[in-house]
Amino acid sequence: EDQVTQSPEALRLQEGESSSLNCSYTVSGLRGLFWYRQDPGKGPEFLFTLYSAGEEKEKERLKATLTKKESFLHITAPKPEDSATYLCAVVPKGQNFVFGPGTRLSVLP
Amino acid sequence: DTGVSQDPRHKITKRGQNVTFRCDPISEHNRLYWYRQTLGQGPEFLTYFQNEAQLEKSRLLSDRFSAERPKGSFSTLEIQRTEQGDSAMYLCASSFYLTATNEKLFFGSGTQLSVL
Repeated sequence: EDQVTQSPEALRLQEGESSSLNCSYTVSGLRGLFWYRQDPGKGPEFLFTLYSAGEEKEKERLKATLTKKESFLHITAPKPEDSATYLCAVVPKGQNFVFGPGTRLSVLP
Repeated sequence: DTGVSQDPRHKITKRGQNVTFRCDPISEHNRLYWYRQTLGQGPEFLTYFQNEAQLEKSRLLSDRFSAERPKGSFSTLEIQRTEQGDSAMYLCASSFYLTATNEKLFFGSGTQLSVL
């Protein structure tokens, strides 16, 4: 069965304190891995797509990386506005998007 | 591009009542998805359409749930005889599907359903 787990469940950082979020997956063939940001009461907002091991994508303070078993979302010098839930989703071959439970990030000023 | 629009944003209903939600996708998108999300969990797949054809329904989806996408434009999700366990955020997403490697979902803000 295709599974996606994310850790930690919740993370509190001080402004400027860099850290990483983890997404581990078990799928029967990976078509793509996606990172989304979700603010309270809103739908997920697309951040990155990664397709193959070794691939990296960057956007402002965020950098996503992918290996054969997991993906990391690195947050460099976060600001309070980066506070949100970060969702990872995988797309197994022949199937639809499977989302993980998310990591709730709080960045304190 | 006005994004994916969902209506209503919030719905409070009594157990046993029927409810219907609407989703207007991004205009050039050919796929439309419905997801359900409860607090602390990621979105859970319910069903999806390519144009007007419903291609897949989750095995977990009760017969009380039905979705339509007439003419391949907007979609409606109806829940009959609502139960308290149906309380959740119902999310709609759309995408322009050309090949399997370039699909990207764009989500609406969701409809928050509370069943009393």
